[in-house]
Amino acid sequence: DVKVTQSSRYLVKRTGEKVFLECVQDMDHENMFWYRQDPGLGLRLIYFSYDVKMKEKGDIPEGYSVSREKKERFSLILESASTNQTSMYLCASSLSGQGSGELFFGEGSRLTVL
Amino acid sequence: AQKITQTQPGMFVQEKEAVTLDCTYDTSDQSYGLFWYKQPSSGEMIFLIYQGSYDEQNATEGRYSLNFQKARKSANLVISASQLGDSAMYFCAMSYYNNNDMRFGAGTRLTVKP
Repeated sequence: DVKVTQSSRYLVKRTGEKVFLECVQDMDHENMFWYRQDPGLGLRLIYFSYDVKMKEKGDIPEGYSVSREKKERFSLILESASTNQTSMYLCASSLSGQGSGELFFGEGSRLTVL
Repeated sequence: AQKITQTQPGMFVQEKEAVTLDCTYDTSDQSYGLFWYKQPSSGEMIFLIYQGSYDEQNATEGRYSLNFQKARKSANLVISASQLGDSAMYFCAMSYYNNNDMRFGAGTRLTVKP
């Protein structure tokens, strides 16, 4: 069964802390994504990666960075967490190429920044 | 980046009736794919249906069909014979063939009434 695993379902951090959100997929997918989901705003793309060590900014990259040292792992980093980064974070992966590149999602990480 | 618009924040439908969830998109590219995902209250993202921009037939998957009108840039989801388990958030999404990053709409919350 295909799987995208996010390391933490729930996190509570303090303003200014460095936060790591980890995501691992076991499907040998080239593409990996980080989204944040907020009510009324849907899923907004933070960063995506189409290959190891490659990354592309999405629509809301400010305040975030990413790391992809291995194909199966894509990490989202909040260098200095702020309260406006309280959100649900979703990791996803997909195959490259034309056609149906459906995303496979992790269960999400709900981050609260106090 | 592509822009996806879902104009219905919430929809109600009677059990066993059909319902249409609206989605429009904005792009000048000709090669793209359109997707619908379902997110129940449990939070998981479930892929429902895919339509390629060059597909001549509307996509169908069981009780789900996608009403694709390319000239109008719309990709509405039709759910036939609604069931109580269809109550969920529904997201429309789009990606390009040569660039697999996917953008989502704000979502529509569907409630099926018994």
